[in-house]
Amino acid sequence: DVKVTQSSRYLVKRTGEKVFLECVQDMDHENMFWYRQDPGLGLRLIYFSYDVKMKEKGDIPEGYSVSREKKERFSLILESASTNQTSMYLCASRSSPDTQYFGPGTRLTVL
Amino acid sequence: DQQVKQNSPSLSVQEGRISILNCDYTNSMFDYFLWYKKYPAEGPTFLISISSIKDKNEDGRFTVFLNKSAKHLSLHIVPSQPGDSAVYFCAAKVYSSASKIIFGSGTRLSIRP
Repeated sequence: DVKVTQSSRYLVKRTGEKVFLECVQDMDHENMFWYRQDPGLGLRLIYFSYDVKMKEKGDIPEGYSVSREKKERFSLILESASTNQTSMYLCASRSSPDTQYFGPGTRLTVL
Repeated sequence: DQQVKQNSPSLSVQEGRISILNCDYTNSMFDYFLWYKKYPAEGPTFLISISSIKDKNEDGRFTVFLNKSAKHLSLHIVPSQPGDSAVYFCAAKVYSSASKIIFGSGTRLSIRP
């Protein structure tokens, strides 16, 4: 059974803090993604990684960075958290062109 | 500019009836269309997909129809069951891109007894 796990389900941080969101997949997938989900906007791609140490910006990369040192782990970093980064963050990994497997999500609140 | 649009934020259907969720798109460079289902406090789960070279794909109670000339796709659920109550996202993958999947804003489906 495929599995994508995220380090926290709920997180509360203060403005200006550096925030790390971790994602681990156990399916040996090369492609991993970070999205954020906001009401009325659907899922928007922040960053994508197609291999270890390889990354590509998505639609809304500003204020975020990523790290992929190992194939199974993809981290999203908020360098200096701001209130407009309060959102649900979803990690996904993909095998075939049409199937992504999502983690349960991290609801981040920035105060 | 939203390339994938789900114009109905919510839909209520009686149990046992057909649920029809709609999605419109503007980009002709999509080669795959997908539907995802999301329960509260969980990540989306893949439901069904269709290649742009087809006009129908069926999987059990779920059927997706693609009308390329109208740039429209729909998901039919027959018969609707209480466990189908969730948010449904339509998504489209850009041709020749490994990463570019555009999601719609979602439709919340409620199945009433």
